[in-house]
Amino acid sequence: AQRVTQPEKLLSVFKGAPVELKCNYSYSGSPELFWYVQYSRQRLQLLLRHISRESIKGFTADLNKGETSFHLKKPFAQEEDSAMYYCALSSGGGGNKLTFGTGTQLKVEL
Amino acid sequence: GAVVSQHPSRVICKSGTSVKIECRSLDFQATTMFWYRQFPKKSLMLMATSNEGSKATYEQGVEKDKFLINHASLTLSTLTVTSAHPEDSSFYICSVAGTNTGELFFGEGSRLTVL
Repeated sequence: AQRVTQPEKLLSVFKGAPVELKCNYSYSGSPELFWYVQYSRQRLQLLLRHISRESIKGFTADLNKGETSFHLKKPFAQEEDSAMYYCALSSGGGGNKLTFGTGTQLKVEL
Repeated sequence: GAVVSQHPSRVICKSGTSVKIECRSLDFQATTMFWYRQFPKKSLMLMATSNEGSKATYEQGVEKDKFLINHASLTLSTLTVTSAHPEDSSFYICSVAGTNTGELFFGEGSRLTVL
């Protein structure tokens, strides 16, 4: 069975500090990983996907198959980054069925 | 991306009654929709996958007779919680599958409270 683990429920950093939101997964096949974000009073939305190797709003995430991790990173946190972040896994094959982690609340303090 | 609208956003009902939640895709042909349930401070739990014109596929442990899903058109899927009980109180969220793998467009969610 596939599983996504986000060990931190809450991560608090100061503005300008680096951010790393941890995500580990377990899946026997070749997974596709995603990060979703939910800003206050807004709906959940896609932030980035590992296959695109893109940087969105300064965030990047690298899939490490050896460590089965997909940590989300940003070198300098901004106040507007405060949100709930969910790591998600798709079993691939062109499907949209996702398994979500429990989420990490990021709080960026001034 | 797709604009997804859920209605109602909040509903309170008495135990034993049925509640219908609508999920509309306003500008995107939603061949596939997903229904999630979210408990406080917990992850989104996938309940079922809904495909337009066919029966929904339920996840293990989700009672299909309890949570009726209808997806009769490319713009509308409904979730009906039948004979609701207090333990059904939760936040229900629908999403529309986009064209890219893992791409989901979410509704704003519906909070159900069963008294």
